Amino acid sequence: GENVEQHPSTLSVQEGDSAVIKCTYSDSASNYFPWYKQELGKGPQLIIDIRSNVGEKKDQRIAVTLNKTAKHFSLHITETQPEDSAVYFCAAVGSQGNLIFGKGTKLSVKP
Amino acid sequence: KAGVTQTPRYLIKTRGQQVTLSCSPISGHRSVSWYQQTPGQGLQFLFEYFSETQRNKGNFPGRFSGRQFSNSRSEMNVSTLELGDSALYLCASSLAKGLGEAFFGQGTRLTVV
Repeated sequence: GENVEQHPSTLSVQEGDSAVIKCTYSDSASNYFPWYKQELGKGPQLIIDIRSNVGEKKDQRIAVTLNKTAKHFSLHITETQPEDSAVYFCAAVGSQGNLIFGKGTKLSVKP
Repeated sequence: KAGVTQTPRYLIKTRGQQVTLSCSPISGHRSVSWYQQTPGQGLQFLFEYFSETQRNKGNFPGRFSGRQFSNSRSEMNVSTLELGDSALYLCASSLAKGLGEAFFGQGTRLTVV
């Protein structure tokens, strides 16, 4: 079935370092890949997304890259800050138009 | 612009009861999707509604149902509650079906005892 794998499940970095989260999707027809940040007690917040006709997209300290051939996409956070600590989810659009989520990455940024 | 509003925020129900959760999407958004979030299974798609019609459904039993009203507000219902239904239920609002950019509400935390 349709699947999105996300790694790592936990990630701990020092403040100021970079963090990278990687995802792989199974459905080659997927054409939209959002990333969500979920803080404790809140719903997922859309932080950046990329469509299949683009290889990279940046928004200040965050960037997403997409390799359609390999069916990989990644989230890059530079100059991490303690407020970046949260659970991050990648997703891909499935054949029915719904989002298929990875299992999440718990990012901890140590001051 | 107001975000996605889900009510109630918290619910405690007893096994065998039924429950109704409500979602008001962002103004102008016509697509509402529901997801169940649990520590073990992560975020799983329940169903999507667009223009009062269920467009697609995830792999959940028939005890899970929903509907959408003409003002795009949506409700989901779970009947004959089981302990395993304890989860965070999230509603996502999109401008239209298949356009991505789904915005989530804060969720309803359902606990079944």
